[in-house]
Amino acid sequence: RKEVEQDPGPFNVPEGATVAFNCTYSNSASQSFFWYRQDCRKEPKLLMSVYSSGNEDGRFTAQLNRASQYISLLIRDSKLSDSATYLCVVLNQAGTALIFGKGTTLSVSS
Amino acid sequence: NAGVTQTPKFQVLKTGQSMTLQCAQDMNHEYMSWYRQDPGMGLRLIHYSVGAGITDQGEVPNGYNVSRSTTEDFPLRLLSAAPSQTSVYFCASGASAGTGELFFGEGSRLTVL
Repeated sequence: RKEVEQDPGPFNVPEGATVAFNCTYSNSASQSFFWYRQDCRKEPKLLMSVYSSGNEDGRFTAQLNRASQYISLLIRDSKLSDSATYLCVVLNQAGTALIFGKGTTLSVSS
Repeated sequence: NAGVTQTPKFQVLKTGQSMTLQCAQDMNHEYMSWYRQDPGMGLRLIHYSVGAGITDQGEVPNGYNVSRSTTEDFPLRLLSAAPSQTSVYFCASGASAGTGELFFGEGSRLTVL
């Protein structure tokens, strides 16, 4: 089982839609989780951290379910500019490396 | 506002040739790392460094060497290029992996014929 697994999509949604991505991780000892965004043929960039209590940044909400070992990202009121690949990221147990999922591709259309 | 600079951006090699991908950061980050990204495989960690003089292997280190003689530079060496090393390579740096915030270079697209 891969350390971090994501549904690759693609998710094709209209503008204004709400879309949710899920991610599962295999190491129950993992402590830190993040979402990155990668635009086509560009470098990844940190979107947000995922806290145990859940956290929100504008239209984006990240949640963590430790019991089920999954992380989610909710995007409300999708914009064309949200079209990108969203990468689920887990800090390894030693705290020395970030493990990336393969990414979920989102395409928002008008 | 240089951030993380990778060179070259594009390179074509023949099987068996060696080369070095350069990575430099100007943010005084202790942590630096190299990933490769392949279609369907996502980003995979090759090597990382938690500070000058310290390097360690990631998930896919075979065929690659690194060194960290200064805080700023973290070159990746391909010893004898193989077609399986055709990929996009990203260098990234951060205060530490634990912060979760890595700053990536723009990537180096390598083709091995």
